[in-house]
Amino acid sequence: DAGVTQSPTHLIKTRGQQVTLRCSPKSGHDTVSWYQQALGQGPQFIFQYYEEEERQRGNFPDRFSGHQFPNYSSELNVNALLLGDSALYLCASNSFGFTYEQYFGPGTRLTVT
Amino acid sequence: AQSVSQHNHHVILSEAASLELGCNYSYGGTVNLFWYVQYPGQHLQLLLKYFSGDPLVKGIKGFEAEFIKSKFSFNLRKPSVQWSDTAEYFCAVNPGNDYKLSFGAGTTVTVRA
Repeated sequence: DAGVTQSPTHLIKTRGQQVTLRCSPKSGHDTVSWYQQALGQGPQFIFQYYEEEERQRGNFPDRFSGHQFPNYSSELNVNALLLGDSALYLCASNSFGFTYEQYFGPGTRLTVT
Repeated sequence: AQSVSQHNHHVILSEAASLELGCNYSYGGTVNLFWYVQYPGQHLQLLLKYFSGDPLVKGIKGFEAEFIKSKFSFNLRKPSVQWSDTAEYFCAVNPGNDYKLSFGAGTTVTVRA
């Protein structure tokens, strides 16, 4: 049973660039949420996708956008990168309407220089 | 906005000592409560969860947590820790009809052999 997978593992970008991170949910799950975890802090909710639509959004600027595909996988896009965007980006999945328990992937470590 | 507070930033224990980590949240309605653990180099894993029913819940690896509604608390306990319990522990909350998780800042637990 495949868990949540994310790619790439690590990424280094320069200020002002754009980045795309990818996530495949756990088998049987249809909902994907993205979180940002800065060093020494707990994860912060960015947004959630279900049925290819953004259902909820946290307190993040419009530079953060996403997409969900028909196979339930998802992308997180960040435009005009800032130094403060350096963080671990976590993807979590669950089965909508079945359980509130979310399963997390290993994350993508983004470094902005 | 709801928030989650974890009382301790870093806890250092000897093996066989008892562990208790505090977690308080600010949300007046029905909540779902979680404790996640992040072992060094690994992704977030669910330790235990509370949705409803018996306020004393048991999780994996001998951990348990008690939900005290009147105190808005969900403290994690383990009677006797092992060196392998060295990890970062996160308390998380979501409203009863929501999937957005709010995390505490985390507690780093170091167990000395």
